[in-house]
Amino acid sequence: DQQVKQNSPSLSVQEGRISILNCDYTNSMFDYFLWYKKYPAEGPTFLISISSIKDKNEDGRFTVFLNKSAKHLSLHIVPSQPGDSAVYFCAANTNAGKSTFGDGTTLTVKP
Amino acid sequence: DTGVSQNPRHKITKRGQNVTFRCDPISEHNRLYWYRQTLGQGPEFLTYFQNEAQLEKSRLLSDRFSAERPKGSFSTLEIQRTEQGDSAMYLCASSLGGSPEKLLFGSGTQLSVL
Repeated sequence: DQQVKQNSPSLSVQEGRISILNCDYTNSMFDYFLWYKKYPAEGPTFLISISSIKDKNEDGRFTVFLNKSAKHLSLHIVPSQPGDSAVYFCAANTNAGKSTFGDGTTLTVKP
Repeated sequence: DTGVSQNPRHKITKRGQNVTFRCDPISEHNRLYWYRQTLGQGPEFLTYFQNEAQLEKSRLLSDRFSAERPKGSFSTLEIQRTEQGDSAMYLCASSLGGSPEKLLFGSGTQLSVL
């Protein structure tokens, strides 16, 4: 059973526009949700997180929104830049540790 | 500290051989994780350590896999009698714990079993 799902394998946007990456989860015990970014030949790097008690967290061009009733979160990147092109993973963890990852969305930002 | 270091970066082996990977975490990080990633999928949890204690192991993990973290420092992941299905990227990550727990990943070891 996949507890964290990213249903869009890929997304392509024009530079300067908004990128919206989506993630759904099934386990209501998750306390925190995180987004990681991965470039080829590198490990994932932490981008932004949100607590389950909040509905929005913003860090510069990146904003994560959480809809707990729908068990859905999204990452907004605005404005999108070509350097944002990467694979984005949604992850969730509980107090017990161990992050559970989605399968990722490949974002391509076209100049 | 330059980050989480994994060796080797690539490993090609024949089916049935044993392989061992090494991970050197951030020195002050007490938690160390092993994940496996195949093409088109996200990192899949294998096991994790709090200092030298192995606290959890995925139920999907075959008994051919074993991991150690002696003295709570570096860790090794050994796969015995490799199979073609073991071909994947093996990622190590470390963290300070806490909430949210932010993992710092190494660049991974790409295993190819022929």
